[in-house]
Amino acid sequence: AQSVAQPEDQVNVAEGNPLTVKCTYSVSGNPYLFWYVQYPNRGLQFLLKYITGDNLVKGSYGFEAEFNKSQTSFHLKKPSALVSDSALYFCAVRPFTSGTYKYIFGTGTRLKVLA
Amino acid sequence: DGGITQSPKYLFRKEGQNVTLSCEQNLNHDAMYWYRQDPGQGLRLIYYSQIVNDFQKGDIAEGYSVSREKKESFPLTVTSAQKNPTAFYLCASSIALDRPSNQPQHFGDGTRLSIL
Repeated sequence: AQSVAQPEDQVNVAEGNPLTVKCTYSVSGNPYLFWYVQYPNRGLQFLLKYITGDNLVKGSYGFEAEFNKSQTSFHLKKPSALVSDSALYFCAVRPFTSGTYKYIFGTGTRLKVLA
Repeated sequence: DGGITQSPKYLFRKEGQNVTLSCEQNLNHDAMYWYRQDPGQGLRLIYYSQIVNDFQKGDIAEGYSVSREKKESFPLTVTSAQKNPTAFYLCASSIALDRPSNQPQHFGDGTRLSIL
């Protein structure tokens, strides 16, 4: 089955430190990979997407993601965390399944940046 | 600016009552979706629609119904058969599901449904 996993329910990091939110996937064919952020009582906001050929993808608010084909991972990173980065983060894939390109979401990782 | 509008932001349901959540998009997207999000949890797909006048059940369709009479609109009805409707409901849209693309889904800001 095609899937995406976020192994950590919560990540805590001190303000100013680098952060990583992990995502691994299991899909056939070329992966379409995305990261979203959700603030309280809001919808999901698109952060960044994998672009073929670029192992390091830059997105909004200083976030970037590192694609690793051999490890089937697409980890979200930021060099210096801000308290305002505290939110719920979702990784998503768009595999070809049963005739359609559906979006499959991970279970989400709550990021807490401590002042 | 193009986007997705969900209304109302907050909704209260009485026992035995059906309620309808509105979702409108002006992104010219073919596909639209409804998700349910429970506190601290991920997204669960309720229904999705690939084109007008067509829709498919997602993972948790029981107790819900939808219609897709216009490309721009995909309302969700939470029926009295849904015994635990308290949740945050998110509508989304995207390009068509039958083509490969790295275009993301776009989401509305949600409707929070509670039981009176």
